[in-house]
Amino acid sequence: KAGVTQTPRYLIKTRGQQVTLSCSPISGHRSVSWYQQTPGQGLQFLFEYFSETQRNKGNFPGRFSGRQFSNSRSEMNVSTLELGDSALYLCASSLDRASYNEQFFGPGTRLTVL
Amino acid sequence: QQQVKQSPQSLIVQKGGISIINCAYENTAFDYFPWYQQFPGKGPALLIAIRPDVSEKKEGRFTISFNKSAKQFSLHIMDSQPGDSATYFCAGAGTALIFGKGTTLSVSS
Repeated sequence: KAGVTQTPRYLIKTRGQQVTLSCSPISGHRSVSWYQQTPGQGLQFLFEYFSETQRNKGNFPGRFSGRQFSNSRSEMNVSTLELGDSALYLCASSLDRASYNEQFFGPGTRLTVL
Repeated sequence: QQQVKQSPQSLIVQKGGISIINCAYENTAFDYFPWYQQFPGKGPALLIAIRPDVSEKKEGRFTISFNKSAKQFSLHIMDSQPGDSATYFCAGAGTALIFGKGTTLSVSS
């Protein structure tokens, strides 16, 4: 079956702009989590959605937001982009509670903020 | 977020040798400890995982050793191969997955 897909794969934005990233989970998976990966901070948890509800949120400013649709697809939005937002944004899906089930990661969206 | 500390940051091992990566955690509420493997340009993939009621788990050449009292766990890769060259992340899971900062493993042939 198809894996987790993320679009776009690469994105270049300028400071102050906003960006929306998309994630389609594996068919049947209801939990979607988002992570930010940078060389300095590693993989950091952003938030988790299950059944269209945000279940958990990491320590990121309110500029980072997300949502999940009824088909489990998820989007994350970053407003007022800063240079430090340049990172690989990874989406992961799992059958149920993300913490207890294997999370399948997508290839990520590489965001560059100029 | 509670930290997971991972060491070493990088590791070079000869083909056929043993690779050892160590992690320590703070949050005693963690009840699931996975290891992920990531190749360049790819997302992380689950390699092996353990629950704290088990002291060791082995899958092929990969073994997790878990010490609950010390709040430490480690990944051993036996007979390391060049194809094992990747970045490895440990993690602790409670209400979210908290990752270590990763270890870049290079296996030289």
